[in-house]
Amino acid sequence: AQSVTQLDSHVSVSEGTPVLLRCNYSSSYSPSLFWYVQHPNKGLQLLLKYTSAATLVKGINGFEAEFKKSETSFHLTKPSAHMSDAAEYFCVVSDLAGTASKLTFGTGTRLQVTL
Amino acid sequence: GAVVSQHPSRVICKSGTSVKIECRSLDFQATTMFWYRQFPKQSLMLMATSNEGSKATYEQGVEKDKFLINHASLTLSTLTVTSAHPEDSSFYICSASVIGTGESGNTGTQYFGPGTRLLVL
Repeated sequence: AQSVTQLDSHVSVSEGTPVLLRCNYSSSYSPSLFWYVQHPNKGLQLLLKYTSAATLVKGINGFEAEFKKSETSFHLTKPSAHMSDAAEYFCVVSDLAGTASKLTFGTGTRLQVTL
Repeated sequence: GAVVSQHPSRVICKSGTSVKIECRSLDFQATTMFWYRQFPKQSLMLMATSNEGSKATYEQGVEKDKFLINHASLTLSTLTVTSAHPEDSSFYICSASVIGTGESGNTGTQYFGPGTRLLVL
């Protein structure tokens, strides 16, 4: 069985300061890990994904995440927050890389960016 | 690339009627499409997995006769909510899994549609 824990339901940062959204996972196999972003009343947009290649993954809009097997973590970071980053972020795990397997979603972290 | 559309984006219907939601992969072929449901301020719940040309696989607790899924082609899947009731009101999101867009490393990744908000009165 696989599971994802997003440690913070809500994170608030000031514009221009770093962002850290935490995610821990549990998986019986070598997992694929994803971060998706959802703006209000919108679908999900893929930010980045890890599929057993480089452990430091760079995504869109300046986001990156590091896969740490020893810590079973896949935290999402960004050096400098922008107002447009305010949204809901989901950490997602999939057990089988490269196949259309089921995704398991975390409960989400709402990122608030203040002036 | 890898764009998924949903239609309609929003629908209001009367209790007892049926509603059909379409999910299309616009610039790629998808062997597998997924249907999710999202309640306010909650995460996505997988309802069913749909493979082109075969019957959908429903998650435990999801009524297959209530939520009819048809995956007629590699670019289209439909979800029909039959005899809708107010408790079926929700945000329904589909995703499509890439089998080839020319972008390396995308096979298996799910790309999501913008969602359909259903309100049953």
